Amino acid sequence: DTAVSQTPKYLVTQMGNDKSIKCEQNLGHDTMYWYKQDSKKFLKIMFSYNNKELIINETVPNRFSPKSPDKAHLNLHINSLELGDSAVYFCASSLVLGGTTDTQYFGPGTRLTVL
Amino acid sequence: EDQVTQSPEALRLQEGESSSLNCSYTVSGLRGLFWYRQDPGKGPEFLFTLYSAGEEKEKERLKATLTKKESFLHITAPKPEDSATYLCAVQGTGRQLTFGSGTQLTVLP
Repeated sequence: DTAVSQTPKYLVTQMGNDKSIKCEQNLGHDTMYWYKQDSKKFLKIMFSYNNKELIINETVPNRFSPKSPDKAHLNLHINSLELGDSAVYFCASSLVLGGTTDTQYFGPGTRLTVL
Repeated sequence: EDQVTQSPEALRLQEGESSSLNCSYTVSGLRGLFWYRQDPGKGPEFLFTLYSAGEEKEKERLKATLTKKESFLHITAPKPEDSATYLCAVQGTGRQLTFGSGTQLTVLP
């Protein structure tokens, strides 16, 4: 009965590699998000998709590419990984974007370590 | 640009010792202020949404209040299981959430 799930939980890789993180929500929500949480615990929005359409794209290197095959899934692909990409990445979803009931629900996170 | 500042960064309380966490914010057109709880190694867990100054919400030992410049999360008679990082976030006209860095609360038995 998991609401927002992510895989993998941990990801350790070498600099220069390409990796993907998968996210799925079974809440029937229209909007999904990717956040990055750095070592100081700041959660910062990276992308937002509303019903498979990119809505928010913050200043993120174009090595990061989100892909939404359907509104229940939002995957994050990262090319040419760098040391600074090490962080915890969270997926989230909300019923609508900008509405009065757009509380965001978060997944368990993926800890990415780039060596 | 929306900004959120939380204080203190860390707070240690004895079980039963009530206290408050502060969230100061600047936002263009507040649509909502959110409180989340985050346990180590887990994702943020939603607690409250406040929409307008003067609004209050309660859940068990937690009570959130909102003014035009800040929000408080009051913890009454905390228990060790209340230990976590509490995150505050605002949503303005830009629609995305802007988070603070959190207050790490430790409740000692």
